[in-house]
Amino acid sequence: DAGITQSPRHKVTETGTPVTLRCHQTENHRYMYWYRQDPGHGLRLIHYSYGVKDTDKGEVSDGYSVSRSKTEDFLLTLESATSSQTSVYFCAISERTGEDTQYFGPGTRLTVL
Amino acid sequence: AQSVTQLDSHVSVSEGTPVLLRCNYSSSYSPSLFWYVQHPNKGLQLLLKYTSAATLVKGINGFEAEFKKSETSFHLTKPSAHMSDAAEYFCVVSDRDNFNKFYFGSGTKLNVKP
Repeated sequence: DAGITQSPRHKVTETGTPVTLRCHQTENHRYMYWYRQDPGHGLRLIHYSYGVKDTDKGEVSDGYSVSRSKTEDFLLTLESATSSQTSVYFCAISERTGEDTQYFGPGTRLTVL
Repeated sequence: AQSVTQLDSHVSVSEGTPVLLRCNYSSSYSPSLFWYVQHPNKGLQLLLKYTSAATLVKGINGFEAEFKKSETSFHLTKPSAHMSDAAEYFCVVSDRDNFNKFYFGSGTKLNVKP
């Protein structure tokens, strides 16, 4: 299995509070991604990174920000959590662009009350 | 633009019978295509991938998929279902020239009856 960890694995928070999810990799892969998974939608891309300090938006980026100050860490922040952000969040990594596979972390289940 | 349609949200088969999970894609060029499996409360595991080599791709646990460009399809099959195959399956198209971004289908839940 690819060396990807996510923390926390479970979190319950209240509307309006800030939340930060962490993705950590030990593979030295250049590309990192954050997805959210909701029933009937598969996984949808929130943000991605193509290098240290290089990030861009995905298809569902509203209400989320990211940072990548080191190759191994990719942080996802909900500045002010809302109930619509209750979801399971997955981090993924990819070694290079082109014909390459993404490897997924174990996921974080976030509940916003 | 890339997109994926999984034609069945739920499929139910009996153990020992064949499995067919259908996937159609839309891509502006020759795509990379993947199937991932997700067991309940687990992460995603790669089953197989197509990257413009052989059109019939073999994956883990006896699964295979055939890329048909004329039909824009990438259906997943297995000759004989096992109880452990019960899971959700995702078809994915990769935008390999744009940071390898993935576009997921909505998923197919496979139920295997004893």
